Amino acid sequence: SQQGEEDPQALSIQEGENATMNCSYKTSINNLQWYRQNSGRGLVHLILIRSNEREKHSGRLRVTLDTSKKSSSLLITASRAADTASYFCATKMNYGQNFVFGPGTRLSVLP
Amino acid sequence: DAGVTQSPTHLIKTRGQQVTLRCSPKSGHDTVSWYQQALGQGPQFIFQYYEEEERQRGNFPDRFSGHQFPNYSSELNVNALLLGDSALYLCASSLKAGGQPQHFGDGTRLSIL
Repeated sequence: SQQGEEDPQALSIQEGENATMNCSYKTSINNLQWYRQNSGRGLVHLILIRSNEREKHSGRLRVTLDTSKKSSSLLITASRAADTASYFCATKMNYGQNFVFGPGTRLSVLP
Repeated sequence: DAGVTQSPTHLIKTRGQQVTLRCSPKSGHDTVSWYQQALGQGPQFIFQYYEEEERQRGNFPDRFSGHQFPNYSSELNVNALLLGDSALYLCASSLKAGGQPQHFGDGTRLSIL
């Protein structure tokens, strides 16, 4: 079973609105990362939040982490059509070297 | 500064054949990880190479094998191809095993007929 699960699976909003995506995971983590993937392309790293951090900002992105609930959220403010993509959370556990990805949220921003 | 490059971009094979995919890591990176991404799904970890050795492996059969060369580039080999192997294969590089974030290439789209 997957470590991370994003919610919702798909999200459609108007340009200028905010988009919120959630990620839940099952075991203790070292850090959690969010990636974006445009159709047919590779993944682009957006932001990393460590297990001892609760919130991080990067431009229009805001990520929160609640380790007690084993969940994270990604907020994109003032969305643009160019934000249309799939968004994945990836967890790095305290053991091992790999990252475990969830199934992703497909975001559509309508002009 | 060249990012992660993968070749070929697209490949069509038939069941039972063998395939080799190639990856050159981002300049300065020494670790390569391979992922399989089925349509509409998240990437699934196949294995990671560091110092020319497989360091960690995901839940993939032995038909999937790899290699890392002294220049840090890597190959993914898949034998006895199955229809279910159709996917986007992504290579990611980082500095040192466990290094982060990982930088991804645009992948190789493998179609099995």
